[in-house]
Amino acid sequence: KAGVTQTPRYLIKTRGQQVTLSCSPISGHRSVSWYQQTPGQGLQFLFEYFSETQRNKGNFPGRFSGRQFSNSRSEMNVSTLELGDSALYLCASSLVGGRSTGEAFFGQGTRLTVV
Amino acid sequence: GESVGLHLPTLSVQEGDNSIINCAYSNSASDYFIWYKQESGKGPQFIIDIRSNMDKRQGQRVTVLLNKTVKHLSLQIAATQPGDSAVYFCAGAIPGDSSYKLIFGSGTRLLVRP
Repeated sequence: KAGVTQTPRYLIKTRGQQVTLSCSPISGHRSVSWYQQTPGQGLQFLFEYFSETQRNKGNFPGRFSGRQFSNSRSEMNVSTLELGDSALYLCASSLVGGRSTGEAFFGQGTRLTVV
Repeated sequence: GESVGLHLPTLSVQEGDNSIINCAYSNSASDYFIWYKQESGKGPQFIIDIRSNMDKRQGQRVTVLLNKTVKHLSLQIAATQPGDSAVYFCAGAIPGDSSYKLIFGSGTRLLVRP
C-alpha cells in the first residue's frame, strides 16, 4: 500500500510569507502528526490530529497551525515566516495514534527554506 | 520536562561487527520507547519499540535494552551491514489524554566501514 505522501518536497519562501504543507496518510490511518527537524533542535513535535481534531500540541508559537480533513489528509500552515523556520517538516501517520500503538510511519518530508 | 538524549553524535563500526547505540532519558513519563532509522533524504523509519515495563526486546538483528534504574536504553545491531549506515533516533512516547507525543533524541550517525 502507498506510504505517507508529503507535498511539496521542496519549497523556498521569503521572510514574512506564509506557507501550507500537505500530508496524505497511509490509507486507513486516522492519526496524523507533524514534526519539525533541524540540525540544531533535532526532531520536535508540532501537533497531532485525529478525526479532524487536534489532540496534542507541542511548544511552537501560534504561527504554526494545522488542520485535518474528513479523509484524514492534513495540512500545516506557517504564517509570517522567519529564517529560523527553515527545516525539514515531517508528517507521520498511524492507525489510531492512541495507547494501542506508537508505530508511526513517516513521510519523506518537505524541505522548507526561508530566505 | 521530558528530554531524550544520545551519548555520541557519530559511531563508526567495521562491517560485520556489532553496533551499540545508546540513549538516556530524563524522567519516567514515557510509556514506551522507540528506535527510528533515518537515511539521507528520507523520513525516519520505525525499527523497534519497547514498553517501559520491559527490559529487553529482540527483533531481526536488533535488540533494545531498557534500564529504568539509570534511565538508559540501547539499540544493538548484530553483524552491522553497509545498509545500516544512517542516523538513529530514540524517542520516548509520552501519553496524553488519548494519544502519544513522541520526544526525540538528537540522533547518532552510524558509519559502517567496509
